[in-house]
Amino acid sequence: EADIYQTPRYLVIGTGKKITLECSQTMGHDKMYWYQQDPGMELHLIHYSYGVNSTEKGDLSSESTVSRIRTEHFPLTLESARPSHTSQYLCASLGPPDYEQYFGPGTRLTVT
Amino acid sequence: RKEVEQDPGPFNVPEGATVAFNCTYSNSASQSFFWYRQDCRKEPKLLMSVYSSGNEDGRFTAQLNRASQYISLLIRDSKLSDSATYLCAVNRDDKIIFGKGTRLHILP
Repeated sequence: EADIYQTPRYLVIGTGKKITLECSQTMGHDKMYWYQQDPGMELHLIHYSYGVNSTEKGDLSSESTVSRIRTEHFPLTLESARPSHTSQYLCASLGPPDYEQYFGPGTRLTVT
Repeated sequence: RKEVEQDPGPFNVPEGATVAFNCTYSNSASQSFFWYRQDCRKEPKLLMSVYSSGNEDGRFTAQLNRASQYISLLIRDSKLSDSATYLCAVNRDDKIIFGKGTRLHILP
């Protein structure tokens, strides 16, 4: 079982608020990822990191930003939430020994 | 053309039947390959990695064909609990790219 955690699990927030979605893993994995997924739709990679102080934008343009100050922690921030940001956000990590990617339980965000 | 393509289904299959999914990838530099299972409103869970020699885990068998750039998943003796969306994923330089997934419904 993967040791990757996300908080909050559910968030309902008003338009214009700043939010930070937390993701942490205790496996010492260098590589971490954020995906966005609408119900019944495909996973879209929005951000990834190959290590501390490394962040890259994914294939889907996103207004969110990320930081990677510590190996175990990869938070995602939305400066001003909008209803179009309503979605599920999934964090994942990858690393030794098996180089397989594991997902956290996700944060289901609703912006009203 | 998407980098990873799957038939979205749905596949409606009677319990006990064998079902097979294929997935094609376009980038020959892809290094490793995976099948994930995703239940409704849950996170994807790794089902199995896919190796060139093929690998089996109980009722599940995965195969990789690098020459034709496709991977497959075979489920034997399907159970009601196998109903889910099955996602194919490829690792290219540690960037994991997913297909859209194939929905499977096992019918009683």
